Amino acid sequence: NAGVMQNPRHLVRRRGQEARLRCSPMKGHSHVYWYRQLPEEGLKFMVYLQKENIIDESGMPKERFSAEFPKEGPSILRIQQVVRGDSAAYFCASSPPQGRKLFFGSGTQLSVL
Amino acid sequence: GQNIDQPTEMTATEGAIVQINCTYQTSGFNGLFWYQQHAGEAPTFLSYNVLDGLEEKGRFSSFLSRSKGYSYLLLKELQMKDSASYLCAVREETSYDKVIFGPGTSLSVIP
Repeated sequence: NAGVMQNPRHLVRRRGQEARLRCSPMKGHSHVYWYRQLPEEGLKFMVYLQKENIIDESGMPKERFSAEFPKEGPSILRIQQVVRGDSAAYFCASSPPQGRKLFFGSGTQLSVL
Repeated sequence: GQNIDQPTEMTATEGAIVQINCTYQTSGFNGLFWYQQHAGEAPTFLSYNVLDGLEEKGRFSSFLSRSKGYSYLLLKELQMKDSASYLCAVREETSYDKVIFGPGTSLSVIP
């Protein structure tokens, strides 16, 4: 049973470009969380999704950021017109229905030049 | 509002015992997690407490007091590989499972 898969592992973008981060949850998991982590800081909640449904996006910036978790395929975190302040590690976690534990992917390190 | 506090940094000696505290004030409570995170890696699950008391798992134990909004992670027989960040996280009591993380405690184990 493969774990939570995130890709790419590292992503470099220039200011103004778009970044697309992908997360495939563990098999049987229908809940996906996205977190952002700056160096030496904790994980900041961004968004919580179930299949085809955004449950809570209170941690997402109002502009440029969007997330989806389609019926088929991975969850996507999309950042439009990236700025240097978007440089961070973005972690995805998944859990099963009524699950307690979050299982984390290896993260995507986004660097904006 | 939501507030989870942990010490920023701690240092302990190899072979010793260290206690990492976590206090929280959240919108309802439905369980508390501890995760370990080595630099540049994903967080890995250590423990989950939903009832008051101590849960022991090998060298690691976790304690919870819901009335005090307080938890601690106890690490015994410290090893160099225990040098990592330790993240306290709270599951809020809502209609869905929202998990909020504290700032993390960076533990350095020295010889």
